[in-house]
Amino acid sequence: GENVEQHPSTLSVQEGDSAVIKCTYSDSASNYFPWYKQELGKRPQLIIDIRSNVGEKKDQRIAVTLNKTAKHFSLHITETQPEDSAVYFCAASVAGGGNKLTFGTGTQLKVEL
Amino acid sequence: SAVISQKPSRDICQRGTSLTIQCQVDSQVTMMFWYRQQPGQSLTLIATANQGSEATYESGFVIDKFPISRPNLTFSTLTVSNMSPEDSSIYLCSLRDRGADTQYFGPGTRLTVL
Repeated sequence: GENVEQHPSTLSVQEGDSAVIKCTYSDSASNYFPWYKQELGKRPQLIIDIRSNVGEKKDQRIAVTLNKTAKHFSLHITETQPEDSAVYFCAASVAGGGNKLTFGTGTQLKVEL
Repeated sequence: SAVISQKPSRDICQRGTSLTIQCQVDSQVTMMFWYRQQPGQSLTLIATANQGSEATYESGFVIDKFPISRPNLTFSTLTVSNMSPEDSSIYLCSLRDRGADTQYFGPGTRLTVL
């Protein structure tokens, strides 16, 4: 089955700096890659996703890049703000049908003032 | 997106007892899932709740321990049976429409077993 590795496990940045979180996946059939943000005591919230037919997707300060050949994808957050502090999870699945999401281990991002 | 609610939001239970968690959605959805999130950990899929048939369990999870019901397209329950302190976790329901990729999560049930 699919295995998703995520790094780093913790990341501390200064406000205004950029943050990058990286994930690798094992199943070459995976073609859907969402990112979730989970604030303390809250549910995971989808913040951005990418499908394997594109290499990059951007939404304001958040972007995701995908390298299908290397089987890795990354989350980029620019101009970080204190409210970006949370745990971020990457995931992978085969799009459509009943295929399940496999999650990475999570990254605790702390944005310091 | 659909509005998902879970009951209870939290509970403290004694070892050996069982707890049933309810997940209600405000619209019909094709696929519902149950996840466990142990303290400080990632999300682990317990099972896919199938409407009108037995749930599909992931490796390491069994029906006797985590019986699941899904009587219709808007409701599902997860029971945590014969609980031990190791079952202390957040349990989340999640949903997705067949053919769609986006998956949403309920608010979760925080379970503490003493």
